[in-house]
Amino acid sequence: GAVVSQHPSRVICKSGTSVKIECRSLDFQATTMFWYRQFPKQSLMLMATSNEGSKATYEQGVEKDKFLINHASLTLSTLTVTSAHPEDSSFYICSASAGFSPLHFGNGTRLTVT
Amino acid sequence: TQLLEQSPQFLSIQEGENLTVYCNSSSVFSSLQWYRQEPGEGPVLLVTVVTGGEVKKLKRLTFQFGDARKDSSLHITAAQPGDTGLYLCADGQNFVFGPGTRLSVLP
Repeated sequence: GAVVSQHPSRVICKSGTSVKIECRSLDFQATTMFWYRQFPKQSLMLMATSNEGSKATYEQGVEKDKFLINHASLTLSTLTVTSAHPEDSSFYICSASAGFSPLHFGNGTRLTVT
Repeated sequence: TQLLEQSPQFLSIQEGENLTVYCNSSSVFSSLQWYRQEPGEGPVLLVTVVTGGEVKKLKRLTFQFGDARKDSSLHITAAQPGDTGLYLCADGQNFVFGPGTRLSVLP
């Protein structure tokens, strides 16, 4: 089946630093990638949708200057949390889709900002 | 804006029992997907339903899509501890997720 790799799985950083999370589709070309945020015991909240070669579309309330998304190729999208603060600590999950196919999810990145 | 609701929010049952969880939308689904998520991992797709009235079976799991394509149910027969997890429904077009049902199956 389709595989999406997300890296790193865990990261701890100091407040004020930036963190980059990578999402790769390993065996298919992902025309669209999605970034979600999930708080403990809650559902996934869609942050943004990115299409290869174009700017990401952010959901209402998500700061595009704080959560930078780059979808440079059909197999790689990155999310950079800039100037991270403790309230940015969360579980970030990416998913990838090839057109109208089902979503394939990465295993998530647990970010802890100290 | 489409709103998805899921019920119950939490469910704790004994091994061997049957259960049904529900997903409802404020608008018509183009297609609906059910996922299961275990702690610390990404969601895993269980099924996609497209046609109103459709029923799909996956071993002990039975998925129904409402005739009007605004609701769906997931029925688990003879639940096992391995079924424990967060069950999420999602719109297959805009990939918005419901709040989920957290299922715990006790041995």
